[in-house]
Amino acid sequence: QKEVEQNSGPLSVPEGAIASLNCTYSDRVSQSFFWYRQYSGKSPELIMSIYSNGDKEDGRFTAQLNKASQYVSLLIRDSQPSDSATYLCAVRDGGSQGNLIFGKGTKLSVKP
Amino acid sequence: DADVTQTPRNRITKTGKRIMLECSQTKGHDRMYWYRQDPGLGLRLIYYSFDVKDINKGEISDGYSVSRQAQAKFSLSLESAIPNQTALYFCATSGPGQGNYGYTFGSGTRLTVV
Repeated sequence: QKEVEQNSGPLSVPEGAIASLNCTYSDRVSQSFFWYRQYSGKSPELIMSIYSNGDKEDGRFTAQLNKASQYVSLLIRDSQPSDSATYLCAVRDGGSQGNLIFGKGTKLSVKP
Repeated sequence: DADVTQTPRNRITKTGKRIMLECSQTKGHDRMYWYRQDPGLGLRLIYYSFDVKDINKGEISDGYSVSRQAQAKFSLSLESAIPNQTALYFCATSGPGQGNYGYTFGSGTRLTVV
Protein backbone atom coordinates (compact mmCIF):
# COMPACT_ATOMS: atom_id res chain seq x y z
CA GLN A 1 0.00 0.00 0.00
CA LYS A 2 1.57 3.25 -1.16
CA GLU A 3 1.23 5.96 1.45
CA VAL A 4 1.62 9.68 1.89
CA GLU A 5 2.01 10.81 5.48
CA GLN A 6 1.37 14.25 6.92
CA ASN A 7 1.10 15.53 10.44
CA SER A 8 -2.60 16.33 10.91
CA GLY A 9 -1.89 19.38 13.05
CA PRO A 10 -3.24 21.80 13.80
CA LEU A 11 -0.10 23.78 13.15
CA SER A 12 -0.46 27.23 14.65
CA VAL A 13 1.85 30.09 13.64
CA PRO A 14 1.67 33.84 14.27
CA GLU A 15 0.99 36.22 11.43
CA GLY A 16 4.17 37.09 9.56
CA ALA A 17 5.99 33.90 10.56
CA ILE A 18 7.15 31.05 8.33
CA ALA A 19 4.88 28.03 8.28
CA SER A 20 6.57 24.71 7.50
CA LEU A 21 4.48 21.79 6.32
CA ASN A 22 5.98 18.35 5.83
CA CYS A 23 5.12 15.21 3.92
CA THR A 24 6.76 11.80 3.52
CA TYR A 25 5.91 9.19 0.92
CA SER A 26 6.55 5.48 0.49
CA ASP A 27 6.77 5.05 -3.30
CA ARG A 28 10.46 5.33 -4.21
CA VAL A 29 9.77 5.72 -7.93
CA SER A 30 7.41 8.69 -7.60
CA GLN A 31 8.53 11.61 -9.74
CA SER A 32 5.86 14.31 -9.33
CA PHE A 33 4.68 16.02 -6.17
CA PHE A 34 1.92 18.49 -5.50
CA TRP A 35 0.61 20.73 -2.74
CA TYR A 36 -3.07 21.59 -2.52
CA ARG A 37 -4.76 24.12 -0.26
CA GLN A 38 -8.28 23.40 0.95
CA TYR A 39 -10.41 25.87 2.84
CA SER A 40 -13.08 24.41 5.09
CA GLY A 41 -15.99 23.07 3.04
CA LYS A 42 -14.32 24.00 -0.24
CA SER A 43 -12.50 22.01 -2.90
CA PRO A 44 -8.74 21.43 -3.00
CA GLU A 45 -6.83 24.00 -5.04
CA LEU A 46 -3.43 23.26 -6.56
CA ILE A 47 -0.83 25.75 -5.31
CA MET A 48 2.55 24.14 -6.04
CA SER A 49 4.08 21.27 -7.97
CA ILE A 50 7.67 20.05 -7.92
CA TYR A 51 9.56 17.35 -9.82
CA SER A 52 13.26 17.95 -9.21
CA ASN A 53 15.26 17.74 -6.03
CA GLY A 54 15.77 21.09 -4.38
CA ASP A 55 13.61 24.15 -3.95
CA LYS A 56 10.95 25.71 -6.11
CA GLU A 57 9.67 29.16 -5.22
CA ASP A 58 6.42 30.85 -6.21
CA GLY A 59 5.66 34.07 -4.41
CA ARG A 60 5.44 33.39 -0.68
CA PHE A 61 5.44 29.63 -1.25
CA THR A 62 8.50 27.39 -1.51
CA ALA A 63 8.28 23.67 -2.17
CA GLN A 64 11.24 21.51 -1.23
CA LEU A 65 11.90 18.01 -2.47
CA ASN A 66 14.38 15.39 -1.31
CA LYS A 67 13.83 12.16 -3.23
CA ALA A 68 16.56 10.28 -1.38
CA SER A 69 14.77 10.91 1.91
CA GLN A 70 11.31 10.63 0.29
CA TYR A 71 10.39 13.96 1.77
CA VAL A 72 8.48 16.97 0.46
CA SER A 73 7.84 20.20 2.30
CA LEU A 74 6.00 23.46 1.78
CA LEU A 75 7.18 26.71 3.32
CA ILE A 76 4.85 29.68 3.54
CA ARG A 77 6.67 32.92 4.25
CA ASP A 78 5.03 35.95 5.83
CA SER A 79 2.02 33.83 6.79
CA GLN A 80 -1.33 35.58 6.69
CA PRO A 81 -4.63 34.69 8.39
CA SER A 82 -5.96 33.97 4.89
CA ASP A 83 -3.45 31.11 4.67
CA SER A 84 -5.39 29.29 7.39
CA ALA A 85 -6.53 26.11 5.64
CA THR A 86 -5.76 22.43 5.33
CA TYR A 87 -2.80 21.65 3.07
CA LEU A 88 -2.82 18.36 1.20
CA CYS A 89 0.33 16.73 -0.10
CA ALA A 90 -0.11 14.57 -3.21
CA VAL A 91 2.36 12.22 -4.83
CA ARG A 92 2.02 10.71 -8.28
CA ASP A 93 2.00 6.92 -8.17
CA GLY A 94 5.13 5.69 -9.90
CA GLY A 95 3.22 2.78 -11.43
CA SER A 96 1.65 2.66 -14.88
CA GLN A 97 -1.56 4.49 -14.03
CA GLY A 98 0.03 7.53 -12.49
CA ASN A 99 -2.83 8.48 -10.18
CA LEU A 100 -2.20 10.92 -7.36
CA ILE A 101 -1.97 9.57 -3.82
CA PHE A 102 -3.15 12.14 -1.28
CA GLY A 103 -2.11 12.62 2.30
CA LYS A 104 -4.81 13.39 4.84
CA GLY A 105 -3.66 16.97 5.16
CA THR A 106 -2.21 19.33 7.74
CA LYS A 107 -4.45 21.99 9.20
CA LEU A 108 -2.71 25.35 9.43
CA SER A 109 -3.93 28.18 11.62
CA VAL A 110 -2.34 31.61 11.29
CA LYS A 111 -3.07 33.80 14.30
CA PRO A 112 -3.31 37.59 13.85
CA ASP B 1 -17.79 28.96 -16.14
CA ALA B 2 -15.92 26.62 -13.87
CA ASP B 3 -13.58 24.05 -15.40
CA VAL B 4 -15.26 21.27 -13.43
CA THR B 5 -18.95 21.60 -12.54
CA GLN B 6 -20.70 19.39 -10.02
CA THR B 7 -24.43 19.18 -9.46
CA PRO B 8 -26.15 19.37 -7.09
CA ARG B 9 -24.11 21.43 -4.62
CA ASN B 10 -26.10 20.13 -1.67
CA ARG B 11 -28.48 17.23 -1.35
CA ILE B 12 -30.43 15.66 1.47
CA THR B 13 -31.90 12.26 0.74
CA LYS B 14 -33.51 9.43 2.63
CA THR B 15 -32.06 6.03 3.37
CA GLY B 16 -32.72 3.59 0.54
CA LYS B 17 -33.16 6.20 -2.16
CA ARG B 18 -31.16 6.16 -5.38
CA ILE B 19 -29.25 9.33 -6.05
CA MET B 20 -27.01 10.54 -8.86
CA LEU B 21 -24.26 13.12 -8.61
CA GLU B 22 -23.18 14.67 -11.87
CA CYS B 23 -19.87 16.07 -13.05
CA SER B 24 -18.89 17.80 -16.25
CA GLN B 25 -15.57 19.33 -17.30
CA THR B 26 -14.48 21.75 -19.97
CA LYS B 27 -10.74 21.07 -19.82
CA GLY B 28 -10.81 18.42 -22.53
CA HIS B 29 -9.11 15.90 -20.25
CA ASP B 30 -9.55 12.18 -20.58
CA ARG B 31 -9.11 11.33 -16.90
CA MET B 32 -11.88 11.84 -14.37
CA TYR B 33 -12.20 10.83 -10.74
CA TRP B 34 -14.75 10.65 -7.93
CA TYR B 35 -13.65 11.10 -4.31
CA ARG B 36 -15.41 11.34 -1.00
CA GLN B 37 -14.04 13.28 1.93
CA ASP B 38 -14.85 12.67 5.56
CA PRO B 39 -13.38 14.53 8.54
CA GLY B 40 -10.10 12.93 9.56
CA LEU B 41 -10.12 10.44 6.69
CA GLY B 42 -8.91 12.64 3.87
CA LEU B 43 -9.81 12.10 0.24
CA ARG B 44 -10.79 8.55 -0.64
CA LEU B 45 -11.02 7.41 -4.25
CA ILE B 46 -14.33 5.85 -5.26
CA TYR B 47 -14.01 5.36 -9.03
CA TYR B 48 -11.86 6.69 -11.83
CA SER B 49 -12.00 6.68 -15.60
CA PHE B 50 -9.23 7.15 -18.14
CA ASP B 51 -11.60 7.38 -21.09
CA VAL B 52 -15.21 6.59 -21.97
CA LYS B 53 -14.55 2.85 -22.15
CA ASP B 54 -12.12 2.59 -19.24
CA ILE B 55 -13.66 2.66 -15.76
CA ASN B 56 -11.88 1.45 -12.65
CA LYS B 57 -12.81 0.88 -9.03
CA GLY B 58 -11.05 2.86 -6.37
CA GLU B 59 -10.48 1.96 -2.75
CA ILE B 60 -14.10 2.38 -1.61
CA SER B 61 -16.36 1.51 -4.54
CA ASP B 62 -18.88 -0.69 -2.66
CA GLY B 63 -22.33 0.88 -2.73
CA TYR B 64 -21.46 3.17 -5.64
CA SER B 65 -21.59 2.96 -9.42
CA VAL B 66 -20.49 5.31 -12.17
CA SER B 67 -21.25 6.16 -15.76
CA ARG B 68 -18.95 7.93 -18.22
CA GLN B 69 -21.44 9.30 -20.69
CA ALA B 70 -18.91 11.30 -22.70
CA GLN B 71 -15.37 12.54 -22.37
CA ALA B 72 -16.68 15.53 -20.47
CA LYS B 73 -19.25 13.81 -18.22
CA PHE B 74 -18.82 11.39 -15.35
CA SER B 75 -21.70 10.57 -13.00
CA LEU B 76 -21.67 8.86 -9.63
CA SER B 77 -24.70 6.93 -8.37
CA LEU B 78 -25.60 5.66 -4.95
CA GLU B 79 -27.93 2.78 -5.67
CA SER B 80 -29.48 2.64 -2.20
CA ALA B 81 -28.20 5.44 -0.01
CA ILE B 82 -27.25 4.74 3.59
CA PRO B 83 -26.37 7.22 6.37
CA ASN B 84 -22.66 6.40 6.36
CA GLN B 85 -22.50 7.71 2.79
CA THR B 86 -23.05 11.16 4.20
CA ALA B 87 -19.94 13.03 3.07
CA LEU B 88 -18.51 15.71 0.81
CA TYR B 89 -18.05 14.35 -2.72
CA PHE B 90 -15.58 15.73 -5.22
CA CYS B 91 -15.15 15.13 -8.91
CA ALA B 92 -11.75 15.83 -10.45
CA THR B 93 -10.13 15.75 -13.86
CA SER B 94 -6.54 15.58 -15.03
CA GLY B 95 -4.32 15.33 -18.04
CA PRO B 96 -2.04 12.33 -18.66
CA GLY B 97 -0.82 10.37 -15.64
CA GLN B 98 2.70 11.68 -15.76
CA GLY B 99 4.65 14.86 -15.41
CA ASN B 100 3.19 18.08 -14.20
CA TYR B 101 -0.53 17.31 -14.51
CA GLY B 102 -2.23 17.82 -11.19
CA TYR B 103 -5.93 17.37 -10.63
CA THR B 104 -8.58 20.06 -11.03
CA PHE B 105 -11.44 19.60 -8.61
CA GLY B 106 -15.06 20.58 -8.82
CA SER B 107 -16.70 22.58 -6.05
CA GLY B 108 -18.08 19.48 -4.41
CA THR B 109 -21.46 18.03 -3.47
CA ARG B 110 -22.41 17.89 0.18
CA LEU B 111 -24.61 14.81 0.56
CA THR B 112 -26.61 14.03 3.67
CA VAL B 113 -28.43 10.72 3.99
CA VAL B 114 -31.07 10.68 6.73
